[in-house]
Amino acid sequence: NAGVTQTPKFQVLKTGQSMTLQCAQDMNHEYMSWYRQDPGMGLRLIHYSVGAGITDQGEVPNGYNVSRSTTEDFPLRLLSAAPSQTSVYFCASGGRGNTIYFGEGSWLTVV
Amino acid sequence: GENVEQHPSTLSVQEGDSAVIKCTYSDSASNYFPWYKQELGKRPQLIIDIRSNVGEKKDQRIAVTLNKTAKHFSLHITETQPEDSAVYFCATNAGNMLTFGGGTRLMVKP
Repeated sequence: NAGVTQTPKFQVLKTGQSMTLQCAQDMNHEYMSWYRQDPGMGLRLIHYSVGAGITDQGEVPNGYNVSRSTTEDFPLRLLSAAPSQTSVYFCASGGRGNTIYFGEGSWLTVV
Repeated sequence: GENVEQHPSTLSVQEGDSAVIKCTYSDSASNYFPWYKQELGKRPQLIIDIRSNVGEKKDQRIAVTLNKTAKHFSLHITETQPEDSAVYFCATNAGNMLTFGGGTRLMVKP
């Protein structure tokens, strides 16, 4: 039981490049979400999903896309990276009852 | 949407003292109130949570209290130890989402 797995752990992108952050969970959780955390700041919700085929926007969705084709996977796509997207990205998943568990994080730098 | 305010933003205590962190929320429909601890460079980890049908919950040195009427809840850490030093986040649910407070950096001085 690996919990929530994120890849890659570290990534450097050039402005304008696109990339996908991968997230997988093996707990059969319905709810999955992506947060970003800027240095010294709190957690801001980007996108979330309450089940396969269902996604919705969070607080800061601009510049990001998500899809949920399976219960296990919830990738986050950066369409055209900007320096303002330099951040730590956390994927989280949860079952019924709202308790969520975070992945280890992906450190992204856009230069 | 839901608004969660957390105070103080930083808290410094002497080892052995108690620490209290407070959060207020706006959505009266919120019914789940978790607290997360985040050490430097690590993921947030759930340390305790409370649901709206309970006023207080304890787990060893950690307790959470909830006042639904006033829409605030608090984290209490007793007999603080240096390993309690971290950033603590409160959160509430608003529908399917968890909204987080801005965090409190707790420093426990030996």
